[in-house]
Amino acid sequence: AQTVTQSQPEMSVQEAETVTLSCTYDTSESDYYLFWYKQPPSRQMILVIRQEAYKQQNATENRFSVNFQKAAKSFSLKISDSQLGDAAMYFCAYSRDFGNEKLTFGTGTRLTIIP
Amino acid sequence: ETGVTQTPRHLVMGMTNKKSLKCEQHLGHNAMYWYKQSAKKPLELMFVYNFKEQTENNSVPSRFSPECPNSSHLFLHLHTLQPEDSALYLCASSRAAGGTYNEQFFGPGTRLTVL
Repeated sequence: AQTVTQSQPEMSVQEAETVTLSCTYDTSESDYYLFWYKQPPSRQMILVIRQEAYKQQNATENRFSVNFQKAAKSFSLKISDSQLGDAAMYFCAYSRDFGNEKLTFGTGTRLTIIP
Repeated sequence: ETGVTQTPRHLVMGMTNKKSLKCEQHLGHNAMYWYKQSAKKPLELMFVYNFKEQTENNSVPSRFSPECPNSSHLFLHLHTLQPEDSALYLCASSRAAGGTYNEQFFGPGTRLTVL
């Protein structure tokens, strides 16, 4: 069975600084998909970034980028130039297939932005 | 907002009550999902519907009964719940199974408290 582990329950970063959230996963599949979701307080969960396992290039979305290490089964999220609006719970998730298979989530990391 | 709405946003019920959670999506999707989000635990997929047909039941107790009358609406009927069922219940939708990327869009959730 697939598992996703986020070992950092809480993280904090100074505004405008860079922070990295860690995620490891376990799977026997060779093709799969990884995601980072953001859940702001009392707000809806939204997709931040996704990575296809067959792609060697790390995904980037504006200030958000990932470090995907397939052999190590590691998928970290880097947030550059942190902003107050980045404060949220961040969930790492795995899917064997895009959207039409179940998402397996980690326990989340609560990110606090210090003004 | 993501185009997925849930009502009610908060619900308090006794163990002998019967209530229903409602989810509606305005995105033209054909797949809908129920997730349970408990504190300090990963999100747990409960049910998946594709084109109104249930395609996944993740060993959910029968006191939770889903209903999907059409591709835009999803219900979760609750009866004789236990205090440990208190959680945030999230609905999501996506395009149905295919060969392409199908992002899941989440609703704001219903915060359920069972007394």
